[in-house]
Amino acid sequence: NAGVMQNPRHLVRRRGQEARLRCSPMKGHSHVYWYRQLPEEGLKFMVYLQKENIIDESGMPKERFSAEFPKEGPSILRIQQVVRGDSAAYFCASSRTSGGRTDTQYFGPGTRLTVL
Amino acid sequence: GDSVTQMEGPVTLSEEAFLTINCTYTATGYPSLFWYVQYPGEGLQLLLKATKADDKGSNKGFEATYRKETTSFHLEKGSVQVSDSAVYFCALMGSGGSNYKLTFGKGTLLTVNP
Repeated sequence: NAGVMQNPRHLVRRRGQEARLRCSPMKGHSHVYWYRQLPEEGLKFMVYLQKENIIDESGMPKERFSAEFPKEGPSILRIQQVVRGDSAAYFCASSRTSGGRTDTQYFGPGTRLTVL
Repeated sequence: GDSVTQMEGPVTLSEEAFLTINCTYTATGYPSLFWYVQYPGEGLQLLLKATKADDKGSNKGFEATYRKETTSFHLEKGSVQVSDSAVYFCALMGSGGSNYKLTFGKGTLLTVNP
């Protein structure tokens, strides 16, 4: 059973460009979470999605960032007009059920975004 | 809000040494507690977890006990191996309405030398 897949693993963008990060959850998982790890920091929650629904986006910056998890295909985290402060590792996780204390979130290898 | 504080690294040990990585937390209610490990170039893997006070999580020789009285979840291993070299993250999941958000510590880099 393949794990959580993320691509690309490394992404370099110039300031003002768009970054699109993709996440394919584990087979049978319909809940996806995105976390961001800034340099020298722990991972911080950004957004929680189920198929076609955003459940909680409280950790996501209000501007330039958006996320989706369509009925078919991977979840996408989109960053428009990137700035240097967006440089970070972005991790996706998935779970089988509705999250919570008894469910495990399985993490992908992350996408390391560098903004020049 | 919820927070996790863990021992700053890096930690360097010789093979077969005893390992402790301290972790304390702040949370309301009864959070679940986790240790994740990240090997070089890979994603985070769940190492162990505990969901209520006095529970002990264990896996691959690692142990951690959920101590509510000291709000701690310290990671221990009696004899480390070179293959244990990785970054270790302590995390909690709250018990309230947002009981799907993991709150992480900053991570502790462990290097084990032969």
